[in-house]
Amino acid sequence: RKEVEQDPGPFNVPEGATVAFNCTYSNSASQSFFWYRQDCRKEPKLLMSVYSSGNEDGRFTAQLNRASQYISLLIRDSKLSDSATYLCVVITITGGGNKLTFGTGTQLKVEL
Amino acid sequence: DGGITQSPKYLFRKEGQNVTLSCEQNLNHDAMYWYRQDPGQGLRLIYYSQIVNDFQKGDIAEGYSVSREKKESFPLTVTSAQKNPTAFYLCASKKDQGGTEAFFGQGTRLTVV
Repeated sequence: RKEVEQDPGPFNVPEGATVAFNCTYSNSASQSFFWYRQDCRKEPKLLMSVYSSGNEDGRFTAQLNRASQYISLLIRDSKLSDSATYLCVVITITGGGNKLTFGTGTQLKVEL
Repeated sequence: DGGITQSPKYLFRKEGQNVTLSCEQNLNHDAMYWYRQDPGQGLRLIYYSQIVNDFQKGDIAEGYSVSREKKESFPLTVTSAQKNPTAFYLCASKKDQGGTEAFFGQGTRLTVV
């Protein structure tokens, strides 16, 4: 089983739609979680951190469910500019330091 | 400006040659990481390092080597033992605390012909 799993998509949605992505992780000792956005042929950039209490940043809401070991990202009122690949990241503390493991990414295409 | 710099942006090598990718950061971050990304795929961890002169194998370390002689620098060597080296290589760094974000360089596209 992969350490971090995501549905690769693509998710093709009309502008204005609400879309949700999920990501599951296998190591219950994992401690920190993030969502990153990656545009085509560019480096990933932080979208938002993920907390058990949930956090919201404008149209984006992230949630962590430790009991079920999954994190989610909700995008409301999607824009054309939201088209990108969304990567979940899990940080696990190992003997050698903080290991960052990425999911395979979920591709989102927002269309007119 | 503080940041993380990878060079070169594009690199071409002949099969059988070793090649070293540069990664430098001036963010005073302790941890540094190397990832490989193939078309349409996620990032796979090659090596990571929390402190100088220490590093850990990631999920796909075979055919790669690294060094961490300075805090600011974490070069990656792609050796001839790597069976399929053509890929997009990304370097990242972060502060030591677990809950902080990682910052990425702009990546190096390596093509082996």
